Amino acid sequence: TQLLEQSPQFLSIQEGENLTVYCNSSSVFSSLQWYRQEPGEGPVLLVTVVTGGEVKKLKRLTFQFGDARKDSSLHITAAQPGDTGLYLCAGEEQTGANNLFFGTGTRLTVIP
Amino acid sequence: GAGVSQSPRYKVAKRGQDVALRCDPISGHVSLFWYQQALGQGPEFLTYFQNEAQLDKSGLPSDRFFAERPEGSVSTLKIQRTQQEDSAVYLCASTPGRQGGNTIYFGEGSWLTVV
Repeated sequence: TQLLEQSPQFLSIQEGENLTVYCNSSSVFSSLQWYRQEPGEGPVLLVTVVTGGEVKKLKRLTFQFGDARKDSSLHITAAQPGDTGLYLCAGEEQTGANNLFFGTGTRLTVIP
Repeated sequence: GAGVSQSPRYKVAKRGQDVALRCDPISGHVSLFWYQQALGQGPEFLTYFQNEAQLDKSGLPSDRFFAERPEGSVSTLKIQRTQQEDSAVYLCASTPGRQGGNTIYFGEGSWLTVV
């Protein structure tokens, strides 16, 4: 059972466009992480957000954690072909929990 | 090694065959996780080890799945009498600490296809 729903599931855009990926749940999470996974590789951590309403920026990527800690978004400005990949959100239900609940994933393709 | 290493990278098994998947975590990492990732889906938790102790196996889908980490380093995930629905990527991950909230480092995965 996937507790985290991501949208859109697939996204294909032109280089230079902006995009937003959403991660939604009915559950409250103590923290939420975003990963990028390339074909044939394991997921690689991009960011962890902990506080409701928190915004973190990583170059052209902006991550936001919802006030109620149930949802999150990832915004990419001026997308580049190197941003292509599977983006996964993952939530930790309680502090100190030992497993993450992953979202359904958003497969992004940036066309040069 | 520098990262989490998994072997084999690719495995084709006939239905009913037993398979063993190996994970070498980052040296010194206390916590080790196994996840199952079906095609087009996000990873799903299988089991968690803290050193040699298997503290959580709530995600193992059936008693055909068994995992061990006898010396607190290398781990093996064994699947007995494989079924077609077992076809997936099996990801191993490790973290340095005992608690959640640490950065989780994933291996490249073992791709299992059951025919």
